[in-house]
Amino acid sequence: AQKITQTQPGMFVQEKEAVTLDCTYDTSDPSYGLFWYKQPSSGEMIFLIYQGSYDQQNATEGRYSLNFQKARKSANLVISASQLGDSAMYFCAMRGGTGNQFYFGTGTSLTVIP
Amino acid sequence: DVKVTQSSRYLVKRTGEKVFLECVQDMDHENMFWYRQDPGLGLRLIYFSYDVKMKEKGDIPEGYSVSREKKERFSLILESASTNQTSMYLCASSFISGNQGPQDTQYFGPGTRLTVL
Repeated sequence: AQKITQTQPGMFVQEKEAVTLDCTYDTSDPSYGLFWYKQPSSGEMIFLIYQGSYDQQNATEGRYSLNFQKARKSANLVISASQLGDSAMYFCAMRGGTGNQFYFGTGTSLTVIP
Repeated sequence: DVKVTQSSRYLVKRTGEKVFLECVQDMDHENMFWYRQDPGLGLRLIYFSYDVKMKEKGDIPEGYSVSREKKERFSLILESASTNQTSMYLCASSFISGNQGPQDTQYFGPGTRLTVL
């Protein structure tokens, strides 16, 4: 069975500091993709970053990076130099290798404090 | 840019009414999805469709049905709305490339916040 776990319902970070949002997953597929999305209070889901199961290097997109530890089945999102606009819900998701379905975690609410 | 639109941002209906939520995408994606989002539960898949007239049940299909008559349009139907269907409903679309990659991401609509009284 495919499963995504986000154990941090809420997180606080000081502006300009870095923060790590945790995500662990469970799958028996050898090939899978991991996605992170941001959902501001307006409601739209914004795709942030992707990590493939066969990727040798951790993904990076601007201030976002993924700490991918395959053996531990974790794909933590690191946001560097936090900004007030980073305050939002963050969802980790996985797409298995054989299907079209995505599996989402329960999300982490991040608040950036000025 | 991919655009996914949903027919309403906010909707208020009465118990027992038949409710239609419409979703349209303009990127010729094969896959379309309906989720409901509730606090603490994340996104839960109701139904998805990988082709016209094709549908697959997700994790919570009870009380819902779907229709996909055209590739760009995927409708969610609440046959007889109940108060426990008060929620945020999100539509998404994607295509599946031959190789796994960021191009497989789902693109989401703005959501419909449904209240059933």
